[in-house]
Amino acid sequence: TQLLEQSPQFLSIQEGENLTVYCNSSSVFSSLQWYRQEPGEGPVLLVTVVTGGEVKKLKRLTFQFGDARKDSSLHITAAQPGDTGLYLCAGSRINTGTASKLTFGTGTRLQVTL
Amino acid sequence: EAQVTQNPRYLITVTGKKLTVTCSQNMNHEYMSWYRQDPGLGLRQIYYSMNVEVTDKGDVPEGYKVSRKEKRNFPLILESPSPNQTSLYFCASSSLGLAEITDTQYFGPGTRLTVL
Repeated sequence: TQLLEQSPQFLSIQEGENLTVYCNSSSVFSSLQWYRQEPGEGPVLLVTVVTGGEVKKLKRLTFQFGDARKDSSLHITAAQPGDTGLYLCAGSRINTGTASKLTFGTGTRLQVTL
Repeated sequence: EAQVTQNPRYLITVTGKKLTVTCSQNMNHEYMSWYRQDPGLGLRQIYYSMNVEVTDKGDVPEGYKVSRKEKRNFPLILESPSPNQTSLYFCASSSLGLAEITDTQYFGPGTRLTVL
């Protein structure tokens, strides 16, 4: 299974700072999803990007899918303590007639302090 | 409220003692899946099910069994647990098995299993 590599693994920043998380693979994906997972809970979907070069915004979060659909980035502007959590990217390959495969990244643990 | 539930949330057991982790969803989803989450490895799929009585192996199926007798339930069975199965387990469901790009997978709250 081709893993998606995320960087950095850990990030500790102060409130108000900006940050970018990267998700890279040598494989092409049909779509790329970003999840946030908080302690004691399962991952929750934030966004799905499907087109090479696509940019989506969710309030202070900006998601971009690479032109070749092999990589993605998540940029957070003016981070807040509520952004603290584990961020996971997941690539999907659509299979006709069968369940599709969702390959998860290794995760980026973000801590935002006051 | 639409949700995926898992029980138990926490379990400490000993090597070789059979256990079952239950998973139930109330969204009438066709597709259900089990993952395990380990530090530095992300989530890895154990088994998935496209519908009742239809199950298939994921990436790390060794040591696990599943069944899908009813649409809403998808229990994970460890016949003879070993310490390397100590992990955080998640059940998930989706309506279309990710066959459409817009399909969303919903995750349960997780079960933390420790095998001594």
